[in-house]
Amino acid sequence: DIQMTQSPSSLSAFVGDRVSFTCRASQSISSSLNWYQQKPGKAPKLLIFGASTLQSGVPPRFSGRESGTEFTLTITNLQRDDAATYFCQQSYSNPPTFGQGTKVEIK
Amino acid sequence: QVHLMQSGPEVKMPGASVRVSCKTSGYSFTNYGISWVRQAPGQGLEWLGWVSGHNGFTSYAQKVQDRVILTTDTTTDTAHMEMRNLRYEDTAVYFCARRMRLEARYDFWGQGTQVTVSS
Repeated sequence: DIQMTQSPSSLSAFVGDRVSFTCRASQSISSSLNWYQQKPGKAPKLLIFGASTLQSGVPPRFSGRESGTEFTLTITNLQRDDAATYFCQQSYSNPPTFGQGTKVEIK
Repeated sequence: QVHLMQSGPEVKMPGASVRVSCKTSGYSFTNYGISWVRQAPGQGLEWLGWVSGHNGFTSYAQKVQDRVILTTDTTTDTAHMEMRNLRYEDTAVYFCARRMRLEARYDFWGQGTQVTVSS
């Protein structure tokens, strides 16, 4: 199975900040990387697919990029509503696997 | 609009079975699959398997493949997950999610079903 490793496990930032966190795959997954946002008690929400394509309805302050097996999610102009845990997931090979998540807190 | 509505919470004893349903609406059921993902308390997301809405093809995570059965009912656009021989460590929130036909990408999710295994 492909292992997905996210870092950091948590971060704290102010409203208006720009934050980035990463997801590294244990082997090449091409661009088959999806990002989800999950708030407490809720289902995950698809934010980005194909490493950098924004899902319909997702604000453009979210962006994704890839560099080899390392993938980055960036949130610019951080909002209070962005407080959540963010998971990456590879869809390159079976079984699909998720990272352990990065929790974003607002100071 | 696309909607996935899951059945209610369940409390089961170890060794019992549980069946969770996922009623879909707002899209063509046979053009997509349904995946099942669970989340134990305070933990991450664990993929359990998926079933094709087109032809009933299934794929399971190795960890649960002997205990999970995924099915669909195309007359009601509903997917079901049955897990047998429940263990304490199966206590989790179980989510169904719409899966792209050709890719394991999940764009709509059910609200989650709490399954508690307790004696």
